[in-house]
Amino acid sequence: EVQLVESGGGLVQPGRSLRLSCAASGFTFDDFAMHWVRQPPGKGLEWVSGISWNSGTIRYADSVKGRFTISRDNAKNSLYLQMNSLRAEDMALYYCVRSGYYYLAQFYFDSWGQGTLVTVSS
Amino acid sequence: QSVLTQPPSVSAAPGQKVSISCSGSSTNIEHNYVSWYQHFPGSAPKLLIYDNNKRPSGIPDRFSGSKSGTSATLDITGLQTGDEADYYCGTWESLLSGVIFGGGTKLTVL
Repeated sequence: EVQLVESGGGLVQPGRSLRLSCAASGFTFDDFAMHWVRQPPGKGLEWVSGISWNSGTIRYADSVKGRFTISRDNAKNSLYLQMNSLRAEDMALYYCVRSGYYYLAQFYFDSWGQGTLVTVSS
Repeated sequence: QSVLTQPPSVSAAPGQKVSISCSGSSTNIEHNYVSWYQHFPGSAPKLLIYDNNKRPSGIPDRFSGSKSGTSATLDITGLQTGDEADYYCGTWESLLSGVIFGGGTKLTVL
């Protein structure tokens, strides 16, 4: 059974940093591209970032470019999101998501974690 | 404002059919695959349709997807009260080199 378990969310002040982690199990992690998708309170889904199977291709939403860094460790079956210079508008439930493809230019999100909540407030 | 346009809400009676549209452009839907997701508040979203019209195993054939030009459609037949949820379309945006979602459609089964 595919499992994606996020951790690292919490309350953080504006301008500070947070690192999210996602532990994957039940599948061959390095066969798949991985993504982060978030949902702000009361709003829709928003894609944050994606990384190909071998970290060779990485993409970010314009809203987080230059502040967030996605990475993966295939040896540890783990996905990460380093979030710097956090803003109030980054407050959201962050989902770790598996793509059905190993590259980024096409996708479908076939497995989702339960999410980790990031609250940005002073 | 989302690049993909969905109606904010749709409604229909149990047993009826509903269609949810997703309108995009030549830089996203027209040349890339579309996927659809069902989201119950408090739960993780669930993949309903991928590659425009394919169903993952376990998704009933009441759910179907199609694409024509710069638009895609999710059809749900034989509506059940348990289908009440938010539905999102998604595709790759070639100009931005990233994923985009529609704004979501809230389905009410009257």
